Amino acid sequence: KAGVTQTPRYLIKTRGQQVTLSCSPISGHRSVSWYQQTPGQGLQFLFEYFSETQRNKGNFPGRFSGRQFSNSRSEMNVSTLELGDSALYLCASGNGDLETQYFGPGTRLLVL
Amino acid sequence: AQSVTQPDIHITVSEGASLELRCNYSYGATPYLFWYVQSPGQGLQLLLKYFSGDTLVQGIKGFEAEFKRSQSSFNLRKPSVHWSDAAEYFCAVVPGGSQGNLIFGKGTKLSVKP
Repeated sequence: KAGVTQTPRYLIKTRGQQVTLSCSPISGHRSVSWYQQTPGQGLQFLFEYFSETQRNKGNFPGRFSGRQFSNSRSEMNVSTLELGDSALYLCASGNGDLETQYFGPGTRLLVL
Repeated sequence: AQSVTQPDIHITVSEGASLELRCNYSYGATPYLFWYVQSPGQGLQLLLKYFSGDTLVQGIKGFEAEFKRSQSSFNLRKPSVHWSDAAEYFCAVVPGGSQGNLIFGKGTKLSVKP
């Protein structure tokens, strides 16, 4: 099976812009979670989608949003980018109740 | 609030030496526990997981971890480290009833001396 794919892998934006990141889960997986990784804060949970519904949400401002499509692919959007949004954004897919999450390679976002 | 503590930010071991990475969690109920590894520029790869049962779990790449409820610990071990094990290691917990929400420790960076 193909693994979790994330596009784009690298992205440079300027403050105030918005950005959309994409994640394709492992075939058959219905859950997609997003995490932000920064040197200062480490890995932090953004949100989780399951069957097109947001099931869980972390403690991030409303500028961070996401959605999941019927084919389980997910997108996350960050509006009005700030310098502090520079990070590695990781997507993970899973399935089942006692699920294990499989991570993609991440999208590295640099905000200038 | 749930938290995961990895007390060691950076550890250096010689190739062939044994390794133990520490992880403590703060959570009242029975946790689901994980260890992930991240190589530079890469995503996270699952090493092993503990949900219930035998408290000593075996993972990939020769790693094992032991769950000790009395110490709220889930330490990762490897008897003989290889140079390719150099990476950053993250301990994580899933709070009960919340399938998607991994809470990560800050990570331990492992360097391996030849």
